[in-house]
Amino acid sequence: QSVLTQPPSVSGAPGQTVTISCTGSSSNIGAGYDVHWYQLLPGTAPKLLIQGNSNRPSGVPDRFSGSKSGISASLAITGLQAEDEADYYCQSYDSSLRGYVFGTGTKVTVL
Amino acid sequence: QVQLQESGPGLVKPSQTLSLTCTVSGASISSGTYYWSWIRQSAGKGLEWIGRVYTRGYTNYNPSLKSRVTISFDTSKNQFSLKLTSVTAADTAFYYCARGVTTGTTYWFDPWGQGSLVTVSS
Repeated sequence: QSVLTQPPSVSGAPGQTVTISCTGSSSNIGAGYDVHWYQLLPGTAPKLLIQGNSNRPSGVPDRFSGSKSGISASLAITGLQAEDEADYYCQSYDSSLRGYVFGTGTKVTVL
Repeated sequence: QVQLQESGPGLVKPSQTLSLTCTVSGASISSGTYYWSWIRQSAGKGLEWIGRVYTRGYTNYNPSLKSRVTISFDTSKNQFSLKLTSVTAADTAFYYCARGVTTGTTYWFDPWGQGSLVTVSS
């Protein structure tokens, strides 16, 4: 079902920058549909981090930033902190599947 | 502050119907401004959009699940519900309810409930 591909895991030391990619196709990201990003922590409600490719909702630290180009999007976490250790998912719309689709998910580990 | 909370049985037998309810506080689900969705995450797998209900009870479903899914409102209780029929072990997952937000050209989910684990087993 996951038509958006993310790396299974990324890691970094505290203070470093990590980037998570989200690669789609011409029927989703490449078709111009926006990408949104979520943070999942066990036992808590998933949290919206980025909406509309690069917009941070109120309350989301500016350490999180998003971008989109072509058939891909990226989430960058700068100044990595221990509390950022979580799973991250991208989301878009797919015109071929006629529904909302999520990425495969990326686990961020803070070394 | 809008909050969502899932509730329902944590164990369902194979071939039976999975039923979950999402109680919304801080917003009226009948206002017509937002969409109300169900999303699931199977063990070791990613997130899967199940479907949504919105103004006047209109619905959209994931084509891969459409034949088994019903999502509906109960405006008197400010709740919306999910029914998934003929379940198998493959339907074992964390089920989340979420509010869908749109600007007309894009659509995202915010906020989400904490999730409800449903296991399909005899």
